[in-house]
Amino acid sequence: DAGITQSPRYKITETGRQVTLMCHQTWSHSYMFWYRQDLGHGLRLIYYSAAADITDKGEVPDGYVVSRSKTENFPLTLESATRSQTSVYFCASSPGLAGAPREQFFGPGTRLTVL
Amino acid sequence: ILNVEQSPQSLHVQEGDSTNFTCSFPSSNFYALHWYRWETAKSPEALFVMTLNGDEKKKGRISATLNTKEGYSYLYIKGSQPEDSATYLCATSGSARQLTFGSGTQLTVLP
Repeated sequence: DAGITQSPRYKITETGRQVTLMCHQTWSHSYMFWYRQDLGHGLRLIYYSAAADITDKGEVPDGYVVSRSKTENFPLTLESATRSQTSVYFCASSPGLAGAPREQFFGPGTRLTVL
Repeated sequence: ILNVEQSPQSLHVQEGDSTNFTCSFPSSNFYALHWYRWETAKSPEALFVMTLNGDEKKKGRISATLNTKEGYSYLYIKGSQPEDSATYLCATSGSARQLTFGSGTQLTVLP
């Protein structure tokens, strides 16, 4: 199906475990983003990518790792999960056209609970 | 203003009322201002992307204005309907498209 998908949609893990959240988009958008939703903070940017093999830190990158070997995929890895990383994670993508900035298209979110 | 700020935090209106909310942002190094609509249990959906001072955009009963010199944007909803109930987010974007969001205004439209 076309669009942007995230997997898993729900995940429960334990402190110290490594977890990878997947994001896949079918639009060939150049830009991809990871946000986390936290009460009192709204959506905060974790990492973003302007193209394959180009990634950069956002506002809250500590404890997370990203990669982008293919344009359509942008996995987010929690190297050693902590309880403070319990959150809802949203992936988004945006066209990489030159000129006027474009909107972002958000995936359905992954609800992660770290026990 | 160092961050993106939205007011009010929440708002209850009666069906048929018109309403508006405010987004304030740093006016220096401005690139673009985004408005998103976020319904409960769904994902944020883009409403408007605005770049020019004085710009006005409209989509159905929803419209937005932008003042980049003083660093604010207004979102207006005319004749609110229960289906307008959602959280409305504004965000500024940099040249690399990364968004800095405000905390949102939660709108509840009572039938």
